[in-house]
Amino acid sequence: GNSVTQMEGPVTLSEEAFLTINCTYTATGYPSLFWYVQYPGEGLQLLLKATKADDKGSNKGFEATYRKETTSFHLEKGSVQVSDSAVYFCALSEVQGGSEKLVFGKGTKLTVNP
Amino acid sequence: GAVVSQHPSWVICKSGTSVKIECRSLDFQATTMFWYRQFPKQSLMLMATSNEGSKATYEQGVEKDKFLINHASLTLSTLTVTSAHPEDSSFYICSASRHRGNNQPQHFGDGTRLSIL
Repeated sequence: GNSVTQMEGPVTLSEEAFLTINCTYTATGYPSLFWYVQYPGEGLQLLLKATKADDKGSNKGFEATYRKETTSFHLEKGSVQVSDSAVYFCALSEVQGGSEKLVFGKGTKLTVNP
Repeated sequence: GAVVSQHPSWVICKSGTSVKIECRSLDFQATTMFWYRQFPKQSLMLMATSNEGSKATYEQGVEKDKFLINHASLTLSTLTVTSAHPEDSSFYICSASRHRGNNQPQHFGDGTRLSIL
């Protein structure tokens, strides 16, 4: 079945550092790809998404490009802030039984220190 | 828009009791709702998908009689953990979509932390 693999954390950075969180996927067909963010004690919020190859999703300074040739969707941010500290989940969508389901990676915890 | 509310946010109860968790879409009608379970430092695992007016579709390995899901209206779905035991302790998250099918974004609730003593 479809699966998502993302780099294990935790990741600890200083403020204004460059961030990369790797994500690769295995899927039949061409799923949509997502990054979700989870702040402590909260549910998930959609950060960005891409629906087809070479699409770039971006939001709040974060970017990720749908790379079909490497089956990857790495998350990047040029300058992180303390407020970016959270757990980040890479996910893909698959359709089963008429409903679109999300398959998540294990999550990467990011801590940004001042 | 697209706010999803879960209640309660945290519940502690004794082993053997049943616990009901509510998931409401506050400003939209949700044709489909999803229930996930998240273990500490783990990913979200889809438990079941429920479409309003239909029986829920459970993922492999999820006990239907243990986790009862009701999608009574277009704005409310409930998950009841029956005869809960300590191993059922977890973070339960719901999400809701306006429509079935492809490219329908899921809007997530803030989750419910369930602790069984």
